[in-house]
Amino acid sequence: SQTIHQWPATLVQPVGSPLSLECTVEGTSNPNLYWYRQAAGRGLQLLFYSVGIGQISSEVPQNLSASRPQDRQFILSSKKLLLSDSGFYLCAWSVQVGSNEQFFGPGTRLTVL
Amino acid sequence: GQQVMQIPQYQHVQEGEDFTTYCNSSTTLSNIQWYKQRPGGHPVFLIQLVKSGEVKKQKRLTFQFGEAKKNSSLHITATQTTDVGTYFCAGTIYNFNKFYFGSGTKLNVKP
Repeated sequence: SQTIHQWPATLVQPVGSPLSLECTVEGTSNPNLYWYRQAAGRGLQLLFYSVGIGQISSEVPQNLSASRPQDRQFILSSKKLLLSDSGFYLCAWSVQVGSNEQFFGPGTRLTVL
Repeated sequence: GQQVMQIPQYQHVQEGEDFTTYCNSSTTLSNIQWYKQRPGGHPVFLIQLVKSGEVKKQKRLTFQFGEAKKNSSLHITATQTTDVGTYFCAGTIYNFNKFYFGSGTKLNVKP
């Protein structure tokens, strides 16, 4: 069966510090991968998605970046965090053919102080 | 800009009452999905609608996709406290890899 892992679960970082959030998927090959951000009490904002290794589509211009160094690994990064980067970061995957139901990871709750 | 609008933002109901949330898109959608997020949790897939005018049911939940594929609704009959959570719609437009999420409707059910 497929599983998706995200870490860390919670993170408190000072403004201006770097960020690296990791997401890995097990039990499937060549998945679509997604990073979303959810502000408190709000909807999901698509940040990045990837259809293959090294292929990243950016949806929102900001100080975040994403990379996919391996087929089932998706990394969200920032060189300098802003207060507005606080939120709940969710990684998700879907298959590329057939039903494109998205499976979400447990999320990382980031607080930038 | 926002591709998929969802209303209402909040809904408080008494247990046993019905509940409906609506999604609207300015652009024809290829398909639409519905997700439920429990407080403190992550979104969980409920269903996907693909065809114009499609209606699907899951026990007390009824999902509809409009004829023009620009709107969708989720209706819950006789709500229970276990229905508490935020319900999101998510649509794709041409690019099946990219999802536009509605802002969600937060449902609170009073026992």
